[in-house]
Amino acid sequence: QLQLQESGPGLVNPSETLSLTCSVSGGSISSNTYYWVWIRQPPGKGLEWIGSIYSRGTTLYNPSLKSRVTMSVDTSKNQFSLKVASVTAADTAVYYCARGSTASSSDIWGQGTVVTVSS
Amino acid sequence: QSALTQPASVSGSPGQSITISCTGTSSDVGGYNSVSWYQQYPGKAPKLLIYEVSNRPSGVSNRFSGSKSGNTASLTISGLQAEDEADYYCSSYTSSITRVFGGGTKLTVL
Repeated sequence: QLQLQESGPGLVNPSETLSLTCSVSGGSISSNTYYWVWIRQPPGKGLEWIGSIYSRGTTLYNPSLKSRVTMSVDTSKNQFSLKVASVTAADTAVYYCARGSTASSSDIWGQGTVVTVSS
Repeated sequence: QSALTQPASVSGSPGQSITISCTGTSSDVGGYNSVSWYQQYPGKAPKLLIYEVSNRPSGVSNRFSGSKSGNTASLTISGLQAEDEADYYCSSYTSSITRVFGGGTKLTVL
């Protein structure tokens, strides 16, 4: 059964770059059927789509974050990654990685990782 | 892109049916049959309940159903149970080839 696991620093200094990795197990990230997604949830707030990436590297980003976000995929490690540059306290959130199964849905999610932006 | 509009909260008694609405525009909900719904318990990752407006993934109870009319999608939960108390989010594909979520709805089972 496919599983996703987020990893990365839980604390990031303001103005620095947030970096997270999602490790995929129990299946291949190179599937042509699925794609890979990052979603975040600030404390006490709703879900926000950050972006999506396909196994061949094509990316789609939320326009509100596009200037600061970079996603990449490493098929040799079965992982995909997220970088958010120039972070502020507003980037404090639980970050989820997920598998994209249709245009608007994700059927498998990681457990989420808490990232706090603070000095 | 603006978030889809959901009621902040809804409530119902056990056994009743409730409906949660999700309103967008012709550039998202109204323009595509690509609306999904998620259930989220506190401290947990969201769980997919409905995809492509009205389809249920394997293992999701048939008490959950989805529909759409114009720019508004709806999630109906029938035979309400205490375990249904959670937050619910809708999501839609958009004309910008992106995704957008609703603000979320807190369901209270009285």
